[in-house]
Amino acid sequence: GQQVMQIPQYQHVQEGEDFTTYCNSSTTLSNIQWYKQRPGGHPVFLIQLVKSGEVKKQKRLTFQFGEAKKNSSLHITATQTTDVGTYFCAGRPSGKLIFGQGTELSVKP
Amino acid sequence: GAVVSQHPSRVICKSGTSVKIECRSLDFQATTMFWYRQFPKQSLMLMATSNEGSKATYEQGVEKDKFLINHASLTLSTLTVTSAHPEDSSFYICSARDRGFNSNQPQHFGDGTRLSIL
Repeated sequence: GQQVMQIPQYQHVQEGEDFTTYCNSSTTLSNIQWYKQRPGGHPVFLIQLVKSGEVKKQKRLTFQFGEAKKNSSLHITATQTTDVGTYFCAGRPSGKLIFGQGTELSVKP
Repeated sequence: GAVVSQHPSRVICKSGTSVKIECRSLDFQATTMFWYRQFPKQSLMLMATSNEGSKATYEQGVEKDKFLINHASLTLSTLTVTSAHPEDSSFYICSARDRGFNSNQPQHFGDGTRLSIL
């Protein structure tokens, strides 16, 4: 069925290294949202991308929305231990909001 | 910012007990609230969409008689897990969307309820 795919499932990095998670949909998305869930916590909204090819930055986080509006990425530059958590993308391939499987980021100090 | 309060945060109870979870939007009105279930290391699975003043819309495979949803006001939705069994143990999270915004706006999540059935 229609779904939102996210890779990788896990990423372990050394503090200071970069990190990227990718999100793909089989159908065009009207927009894509990114959330962060800290261990034991609830998802917190980070950003929403709407336009084709859109790029938004939040400090060390860079979010991109593909030209075809079927894929998106989140890139973190120079990770810090505070970046630890699971990052979810979410989109509406068929109306309702579908979450990707999430990418769990662990950062070794 | 928008705040969603979910209560209780943790429940441990015996098999056969019914458990009620509350989800409140504290500083905004929500005509629509969502109930998710999350297993360890997994994504959020939408269980149902709660609509104020009308019946909830359940996702395929979710038993509506098992998971009773009531959305009696613009700030409160409740999920009751009836006759809970160990397989119902999970992390349940609600989210709400401000009625003043369209469906493409972000959802605000509660802190979640960790349910453990012995």
